[in-house]
Amino acid sequence: LAKTTQPPSMEAYEGQEVNVSCSHTNIATSEYIYWYRQVPHQGPQFIIQGYKDYVVNEVASLFISADRKLSTLSLPWVSLRDAAVYYCIVTALSNTNKVVFGTGTRLQVLP
Amino acid sequence: EAAVTQSPRNKVTVTGGNVTLSCRQTNSHNYMYWYRQDTGHGLRLIHYSYGAGNLQIGDVPDGYKATRTTQEDFFLLLELASPSQTSLYFCASSGQRNTEVFFGKGTRLTVV
Repeated sequence: LAKTTQPPSMEAYEGQEVNVSCSHTNIATSEYIYWYRQVPHQGPQFIIQGYKDYVVNEVASLFISADRKLSTLSLPWVSLRDAAVYYCIVTALSNTNKVVFGTGTRLQVLP
Repeated sequence: EAAVTQSPRNKVTVTGGNVTLSCRQTNSHNYMYWYRQDTGHGLRLIHYSYGAGNLQIGDVPDGYKATRTTQEDFFLLLELASPSQTSLYFCASSGQRNTEVFFGKGTRLTVV
């Protein structure tokens, strides 16, 4: 399983766009990139997943570099409800299906 | 919406005590996981399973046993609880070919 590296914390003002980066320099060709977020007193929730290029859904967008060693989660117009810990996970769709979370990026949103 | 239910939500036990944390998922998922979450460590994988009767060792298994009795039910056992096992425990499930993981609300365990 490829290891991921994220900044430990970020802060932004309400209404700003936030970009959270994740480095996965040893990502294997079989591995996909997943992003989750966790708000206080709850378990993590899935946000978005991707393999290459650019993925977008109603919550966020995900940009993956051409060599797949870096991904960036983009959150448009953050609000106070987006204050959470954001986790980047890299894992393969294999029979072992081991899913490992790191320490994530804590996003603070200022009013 | 996928459902993962943990019980109890809170538990206090004494050092050396015997504790069982329960988890049930109604998602028809093959994979189930137990994690612990502590400040400064994020989520750490204790044990996981890909079907009834199966058990796989995670990254921090010492002091924990687990048993998957059915596809729906996954139990975490602490047979000699220690204060170092005071933590927030999450159970989760995922489908066989979809690693979107669905989490329960967590069990806060305190060992005094």
